[in-house]
Amino acid sequence: AQTVTQSQPEMSVQEAETVTLSCTYDTSESDYYLFWYKQPPSRQMILVIRQEAYKQQNATENRFSVNFQKAAKSFSLKISDSQLGDAAMYFCAYRSLMYSGGGADGLTFGKGTHLIIQP
Amino acid sequence: NAGVTQTPKFRVLKTGQSMTLLCAQDMNHEYMYWYRQDPGMGLRLIHYSVGEGTTAKGEVPDGYNVSRLKKQNFLLGLESAAPSQTSVYFCASSFVLQETQYFGPGTRLLVL
Repeated sequence: AQTVTQSQPEMSVQEAETVTLSCTYDTSESDYYLFWYKQPPSRQMILVIRQEAYKQQNATENRFSVNFQKAAKSFSLKISDSQLGDAAMYFCAYRSLMYSGGGADGLTFGKGTHLIIQP
Repeated sequence: NAGVTQTPKFRVLKTGQSMTLLCAQDMNHEYMYWYRQDPGMGLRLIHYSVGEGTTAKGEVPDGYNVSRLKKQNFLLGLESAAPSQTSVYFCASSFVLQETQYFGPGTRLLVL
């Protein structure tokens, strides 16, 4: 079974600075998707960015970018020019491309990193 | 276009009571999922559906049942609620199994 580990329970960054959130995962598969979701206090799960494992190029979405290291099974999220609205829980998630007929057919989430933005 | 909606937003149950959580999506997605989120944890998959009339067990299915009678709706039932089922429940949907899942706003359930 795949596992996702977020080793930073909480991170703090000054507004306008850059912060990197870490995520590592364990899998024996070669094809999969990785995601970062943001969960603000409203509890809504919002997709931040997605990375397909077969793509060597790191995904970017405006101020959000990832550093995908497939061999190291690492998938970190970099937030540039941090804004107060970025304050939230951030979850890293793994999605297999194989249909297993069981628990692995959903997203496998890490435990999350609480990001605090200092004004 | 409302995306994924969940009803109710919050509910308090007594141990042994039953209830049904409703999830609806208007994106014509084939796949729908129910997750639960407990404090300090990521989301865990309860049940899911790969199409109208189909359901399958996820990682933590015990104590829950589901039904997908219509493509746009996915119901999660608790037949006899237990305090261990106190959690926040999220519904999600996706066009195909591998694609991005879009989440509803969550239902907070408290079982006393």
